[in-house]
Amino acid sequence: GIQVEQSPPDLILQEGANSTLRCNFSDSVNNLQWFHQNPWGQLINLFYIPSGTKQNGRLSATTVATERYSLLYISSSQTTDSGVYFCAVELGFQKLVFGTGTRLLVSP
Amino acid sequence: EAGVTQSPTHLIKTRGQQATLRCSPISGHTSVYWYQQALGLGLQFLLWYDEGEERNRGNFPPRFSGRQFPNYSSELNVNALELEDSALYLCASSLPGNNSPLHFGNGTRLTVT
Repeated sequence: GIQVEQSPPDLILQEGANSTLRCNFSDSVNNLQWFHQNPWGQLINLFYIPSGTKQNGRLSATTVATERYSLLYISSSQTTDSGVYFCAVELGFQKLVFGTGTRLLVSP
Repeated sequence: EAGVTQSPTHLIKTRGQQATLRCSPISGHTSVYWYQQALGLGLQFLLWYDEGEERNRGNFPPRFSGRQFPNYSSELNVNALELEDSALYLCASSLPGNNSPLHFGNGTRLTVT
């Protein structure tokens, strides 16, 4: 089956720092989403980005489908950005396969 | 607009019992998905329902089952509970069609003792 790997697995930042999270996938996919799971387990949809670049405030994402990777950029990080970031790729029949996650801790 | 709602928030059961988890999708969403997030593991796809029918199923034993009601809400049933079923169960919904993003509920944390 398809492999979805994220890097780095863990990331510790000082408040105000920038970071880049990466998602590599091993096969062609229909779509890709980025999610943020906060410390209370809530999963929030950040971007729906099969290709190209999107921006939402301090966050932006780029997917290069032909090269099978996606990047999530976090600028001027805040403590509320802490949590786990997942990318998920959509195969046929709307089945989402989630990546391994990047655990982010932003310290004040 | 109300988001995806799940109930209960927490559920504690003993081994061998049955658990029923409920999910109400966002208004207008006809597809409902169930995922399991066990401790130390990523999110695993369980089930997808659309228009009352089961459309796809993940790699889980038959004791994991569910249904979708005419109002598009959904139930996940887990029979003959085992200790390793302890996990966060997340429900998501989406509009019909292939290019609709998923929106997740807050989850039900199931603990099996």
